[in-house]
Amino acid sequence: GIQVEQSPPDLILQEGANSTLRCNFSDSVNNLQWFHQNPWGQLINLFYIPSGTKQNGRLSATTVATERYSLLYISSSQTTDSGVYFCAVVFISNFGNEKLTFGTGTRLTIIP
Amino acid sequence: GAVVSQHPSRVICKSGTSVKIECRSLDFQATTMFWYRQFPKQSLMLMATSNEGSKATYEQGVEKDKFLINHASLTLSTLTVTSAHPEDSSFYICSARPGPLSSGANVLTFGAGSRLTVL
Repeated sequence: GIQVEQSPPDLILQEGANSTLRCNFSDSVNNLQWFHQNPWGQLINLFYIPSGTKQNGRLSATTVATERYSLLYISSSQTTDSGVYFCAVVFISNFGNEKLTFGTGTRLTIIP
Repeated sequence: GAVVSQHPSRVICKSGTSVKIECRSLDFQATTMFWYRQFPKQSLMLMATSNEGSKATYEQGVEKDKFLINHASLTLSTLTVTSAHPEDSSFYICSARPGPLSSGANVLTFGAGSRLTVL
């Protein structure tokens, strides 16, 4: 099956710093989303971004589908940004089934 | 925006009992729902894909008789953990989208998760 690797696995930053999270995937995909999982386990959708670049406030994301990677940028980090960030990819199997695979995650800790 | 409700958020049960977790799409009809399992400090693992009106598609290694999935309506899918044992303790999360990818319904929305503890 498709492999989705995220880096770095852990990241500790001072409040106000910028960060870049990376998601590499091993095959072509139909869909890619970035999520933030808060300390209570809720997954918050950040971006739907199978290709191109999008921005939402302090966050932006870029997916280069031909090179099979996506980047999530967080600027001017705040303590509320702490949590685990996942990318998830969807591809359609040869049998027409949707397969959703989550990445390994990046645990971000923002220190005041 | 699309909202997915998951219930219960937390459940503690004795070994050998069965537990049902509900996943509801509140403001849209979900032809497809997905069930995941997450162990502490790990990623989400897809357990099965639930399609309204048909049998669920289980991932390799997931016991169909242990994890019963029913998607009886366009707004409700249920996961029943049968004869639960301590090793079934985990965080279970569902997700849904309004339609198949081919329809353009691309964005997945997730429930808040259900934390199961089997004593």
